[in-house]
Amino acid sequence: NAGVTQTPKFQVLKTGQSMTLQCAQDMNHNSMYWYRQDPGMGLRLIYYSASEGTTDKGEVPNGYNVSRLNKREFSLRLESAAPSQTSVYFCASRERGTSGEQYFGPGTRLTVT
Amino acid sequence: DQQVKQNSPSLSVQEGRISILNCDYTNSMFDYFLWYKKYPAEGPTFLISISSIKDKNEDGRFTVFLNKSAKHLSLHIVPSQPGDSAVYFCAASYAYSGAGSYQLTFGKGTKLSVIP
Repeated sequence: NAGVTQTPKFQVLKTGQSMTLQCAQDMNHNSMYWYRQDPGMGLRLIYYSASEGTTDKGEVPNGYNVSRLNKREFSLRLESAAPSQTSVYFCASRERGTSGEQYFGPGTRLTVT
Repeated sequence: DQQVKQNSPSLSVQEGRISILNCDYTNSMFDYFLWYKKYPAEGPTFLISISSIKDKNEDGRFTVFLNKSAKHLSLHIVPSQPGDSAVYFCAASYAYSGAGSYQLTFGKGTKLSVIP
């Protein structure tokens, strides 16, 4: 099992460009999440999807959109990248019925210049 | 307002000694607490958790203690090993909207360095 995979691993964008971060999990989990990690800030929730077909905003959703393409895949889109979105992005998934344990992907390091 | 706080950004411990990482929370609704370990350039990995109905959970060298009245939890690592050197995140959760949509609220992390 690959667990949670993310592509790309690294990306450099210019201000105003758009891109989509991809995430897939092979654990048949219902819930999926997108976080960003900034130095000294811990992990902050951007968006989550409790189940296929639903998405909800987290703590820091501005500037992002998400799509739960199917049960396996959850993508994060930056429509017009800004330097403030320079961060490391993590995708995670969780099995229904568990209290909180999430499994994380390896992350995407994004730099916006 | 930070709901989960890890007030020590870093901690250094000698190999073989005990490492104690602390975490405080403010939201009384939290009913499940987790510790994650993160190496550089990797995603966080789940380490150990505790439900609010317990005050201790042990898994090998790792023990988590929960003091609900003080809204405080701690992670003990005994004995500490150089491979334990990583950033440790405390996280807390509860069910949103009754739909089982548990979300994790993370602390800022504590960087543990275990010195050989």
